[in-house]
Amino acid sequence: AQKITQTQPGMFVQEKEAVTLDCTYDTSDPSYGLFWYKQPSSGEMIFLIYQGSYDQQNATEGRYSLNFQKARKSANLVISASQLGDSAMYFCAMREGSNTGNQFYFGTGTSLTVIP
Amino acid sequence: DTEVTQTPKHLVMGMTNKKSLKCEQHMGHRAMYWYKQKAKKPPELMFVYSYEKLSINESVPSRFSPECPNSSLLNLHLHALQPEDSALYLCASSQEPLAGQYEQYFGPGTRLTVT
Repeated sequence: AQKITQTQPGMFVQEKEAVTLDCTYDTSDPSYGLFWYKQPSSGEMIFLIYQGSYDQQNATEGRYSLNFQKARKSANLVISASQLGDSAMYFCAMREGSNTGNQFYFGTGTSLTVIP
Repeated sequence: DTEVTQTPKHLVMGMTNKKSLKCEQHMGHRAMYWYKQKAKKPPELMFVYSYEKLSINESVPSRFSPECPNSSLLNLHLHALQPEDSALYLCASSQEPLAGQYEQYFGPGTRLTVT
């Protein structure tokens, strides 16, 4: 089974609008971390936001927020007030607490295009 | 300093060449990673080093040989590569221990073309 599932290969959003990128995960480990990364066409993976499995509140970082629904095993990324520079690939990732190999599991990614 | 550096940025090599990719971090991270990424795909894990010891080798062909000379450096030695090995090679690092908010910091990558 896939550890991380991103069902939206491509998304479009109007500039200044909000957009939600979906991510669901699969783990039986009670301790885990969820991460979102942005990858512009230049190639570098940029860390955006983190949510821990025991965190009571949804994580926020500037225009990024994570809609964490533990029972549904979803960790959707919300980008508010989209900017042209937000056009990029977005990857959801997970790391399990019992992971002795320090492995991160990545989803297949969502390509976001911001339309002026 | 939250920077991971990688050299070279671009590399073109023939199938008989031997080359090396270099990665460096000075954040005191004790886990370092090599990923291979094809266009429009997620990064594929190749190797993980924890405390300078190889902890994961994802069945990578022997033409890729990793090396961790010290806690700040990670190399990937390349020999007799195939054209299908052309990809973006990303290095990353993260803190220990296993749990907690220990995101991976990525370098800018090396774009490798095998001719």
